[in-house]
Parts: sequence; structure tokens; C-alpha cells
Amino acid sequence: EADIYQTPRYLVIGTGKKITLECSQTMGHDKMYWYQQDPGMELHLIHYSYGVNSTEKGDLSSESTVSRIRTEHFPLTLESARPSHTSQYLCASTTLARSEQFFGPGTRLTVL
Amino acid sequence: GENVEQHPSTLSVQEGDSAVIKCTYSDSASNYFPWYKQELGKRPQLIIDIRSNVGEKKDQRIAVTLNKTAKHFSLHITETQPEDSAVYFCAASMNNDMRFGAGTRLTVKP
Repeated sequence: EADIYQTPRYLVIGTGKKITLECSQTMGHDKMYWYQQDPGMELHLIHYSYGVNSTEKGDLSSESTVSRIRTEHFPLTLESARPSHTSQYLCASTTLARSEQFFGPGTRLTVL
Repeated sequence: GENVEQHPSTLSVQEGDSAVIKCTYSDSASNYFPWYKQELGKRPQLIIDIRSNVGEKKDQRIAVTLNKTAKHFSLHITETQPEDSAVYFCAASMNNDMRFGAGTRLTVKP
């Protein structure tokens, strides 16, 4: 079934660790996004990509990096996790021909 | 860049009443305005959208209106039910560059 997947769904780690949050979509979408969202609160755009080898910074990008080597895969890396990174991370995708964004189930990150 | 403001931040209604959520946007070039519903612990999901060449769109109990001149759009939910309780996000977009409002927490009391 065409969908957007995120792993892990939950992650608890210690301060200073490097982590990568995975996002994959099987919908053939070109554009992908990462958002940070505290539960039920505003969505903050972290990074986005128009396609392979394209990455752009959003409003909240300074402490993370992304890569887009394959169309379906858009991982987000935190080089050194801090308690302030504790939040939910949502991945989304869309096609250049459409406008609706489809969201993944999210990764809930806790940094101790 | 685009800036989207959403009001109110919380809204409580009695079951069966109507609920209205309003958003304003700043960039007159925005041409796509979706509304997302996010239930507790779940991902945001599109419930209705409207494009700039249309003034109103309705889908059963849900309707969206757009005033391009004033740069505001609204979500209307009629005959609210407890399952309508969620956080609702508006957004404004042009060329896939989408900006979200801060969200409205709607509570429908049975």
C-alpha cells in the first residue's frame, strides 16, 4: 500500500548522541518535508527537498541535517541530541503537480 | 515569506452546534488553502481544501470559504459531534511552499 513510513516511532536517548530519523514514502512523491511538532501544537518546518540531491533549510534547521540520495528516502540527522530536541518529528511528502501534503505517523523523540 | 495566523487557539462547543475557525494569510500569491485535522496521537490528515479560483467548497458537514481580497479563509463545521474533537490546522501554499497556522484545539462536549 502506498504510504509514508517513519522509524523509529519512539526513541529515548541520552544527551550528546547522534541519531538519524528515517522517513520513506512509496507514493512516488517528489517533494519531502520534515516538521517538528510538540503534541497538538504548531508545525515548524525543519528541512525540505524538491527531489534527489536537493535539500533546503526551513525555519528550524540549524541543529540538524538531511540528505536525499533516493527519491523515496529522506533521513533526518541530529549530530548531538539535546533535551531541547525532545519533540515529535513528522515527515511529509507531496508531488510537484499536486499541493496536498501527506504525513507520516511521526517519531516521538525524548532526549534525557 | 508567507505568514498564516489562525484564530481561535481553542474552541469549545456543545454537540450539535456549529464551529468556525478563521485564518488570514499575508502573501497574495498563495493559491492553495488546505485544512488538516489532527486527532490525539495521530498524524495530520487533510479534511478539505480550496484553491484561489473558488470562493466556497462544501463536503457534508464541513465547508471552507475564501476571501482573496481580504486574504482570509474559514472552516465551518456544522452539527458538530464528539468525534470532531481534534486540533485543526489551516495552511496557505504556493508552488508547494506551505505555511501552517498555529492550530485550533476544538472540543465538542456531548
